[in-house]
Amino acid sequence: EAGVAQSPRYKIIEKRQSVAFWCNPISGHATLYWYQQILGQGPKLLIQFQNNGVVDDSQLPKDRFSAERLKGVDSTLKIQPAKLEDSAVYLCASSLFAGSGTGKETQYFGPGTRLLVL
Amino acid sequence: TQLLEQSPQFLSIQEGENLTVYCNSSSVFSSLQWYRQEPGEGPVLLVTVVTGGEVKKLKRLTFQFGDARKDSSLHITAAQPGDTGLYLCAGSNQAGTALIFGKGTTLSVSS
Repeated sequence: EAGVAQSPRYKIIEKRQSVAFWCNPISGHATLYWYQQILGQGPKLLIQFQNNGVVDDSQLPKDRFSAERLKGVDSTLKIQPAKLEDSAVYLCASSLFAGSGTGKETQYFGPGTRLLVL
Repeated sequence: TQLLEQSPQFLSIQEGENLTVYCNSSSVFSSLQWYRQEPGEGPVLLVTVVTGGEVKKLKRLTFQFGDARKDSSLHITAAQPGDTGLYLCAGSNQAGTALIFGKGTTLSVSS
């Protein structure tokens, strides 16, 4: 079974430029997550999709970040314009279904995209 | 805001030693998950604990969920260099829509 795919793996841009990341979840997984992991910290949820609808985007800086999952499969995360503090690893994860509080659902993570903003 | 605090933040030990990593919160979680993340990779799930007082074993790793479901620990027996990595705990609340991660414990095991 193929895992979560992400591209690019690395990206270096200058501040105020725009950048886009792509994620293809595990086939059949309805729920897709984007996390931001700053060096030395744990992942922080940016946005969660259930199929092509947004479930939680409360921590997404909407003035510069946007994400979409138009067909309920793959997803893109965009930053425009980028700031120095956006330097981080952007992780995509997917699960069969959203959490129910039972802990039985498992999130599978992709390898991440490492972004450096200069 | 629910927070998970992990300790220690860094741990450097010799092969064969035992160690324990802690994950604490003032909030109750319906479940806790432990992940291991290697450099350049995404986190990989090790275990999920859902019942207060639950103990799970995965080879040399022992996971425990506190009775009050506010804390958890990970104990590694006879650590090996292959155990090196970032260990993350993550909690799920009743709404279950998002995992809340701790900052992680970076473990280095040298031979």
